[in-house]
Amino acid sequence: EAQVTQNPRYLITVTGKKLTVTCSQNMNHEYMSWYRQDPGLGLRQIYYSMNVEVTDKGDVPEGYKVSRKEKRNFPLILESPSPNQTSLYFCASSLTSASQTQYFGPGTRLLVL
Amino acid sequence: GENVEQHPSTLSVQEGDSAVIKCTYSDSASNYFPWYKQELGKRPQLIIDIRSNVGEKKDQRIAVTLNKTAKHFSLHITETQPEDSAVYFCAAKNNNNDMRFGAGTRLTVKP
Repeated sequence: EAQVTQNPRYLITVTGKKLTVTCSQNMNHEYMSWYRQDPGLGLRQIYYSMNVEVTDKGDVPEGYKVSRKEKRNFPLILESPSPNQTSLYFCASSLTSASQTQYFGPGTRLLVL
Repeated sequence: GENVEQHPSTLSVQEGDSAVIKCTYSDSASNYFPWYKQELGKRPQLIIDIRSNVGEKKDQRIAVTLNKTAKHFSLHITETQPEDSAVYFCAAKNNNNDMRFGAGTRLTVKP
């Protein structure tokens, strides 16, 4: 089954404790992206990747890192999480660019205390 | 950078009526405009999209129109049904491949 998966789905952590949210797709998509969703602000793009070893900043990259060592995986790294990073995070992928149907993962709800 | 504004933030219609959601964008280089539907607790899903070389696109009860000169695009849902109730997001993509979303519209269709 073609899908985008994220782990964990729910996470409660404390300020400053490094964490990684994994994202994986099995559709051989080149384009992958991370968004955060906050009430009243919609979805804001954090980082995106056009292909392996190619990553670019989105709208709100501060406090986040990403890597794209393999085509299928695009982990989101919070080196030192802060409470303002409490949010719902979505990973998405599409075939070659953002101009095609983006398939979203199920979301990761993060609470930083 | 791109800025996408979406109106209204909430919309309530009677079943069978039409619903219209409007978005404006600031970057004239934007060339791709998708609409996503997000049901409560679920992930966003693409329902329709339009590219900058097209003025209108229709898929059954859903249509999108684009006015490049005015830099606005709209989602039209006809003959609304209770299952259309959800949050709808518009988005715009520029040549840099980063996607900007509107803040969302919560549509409620009353039976």
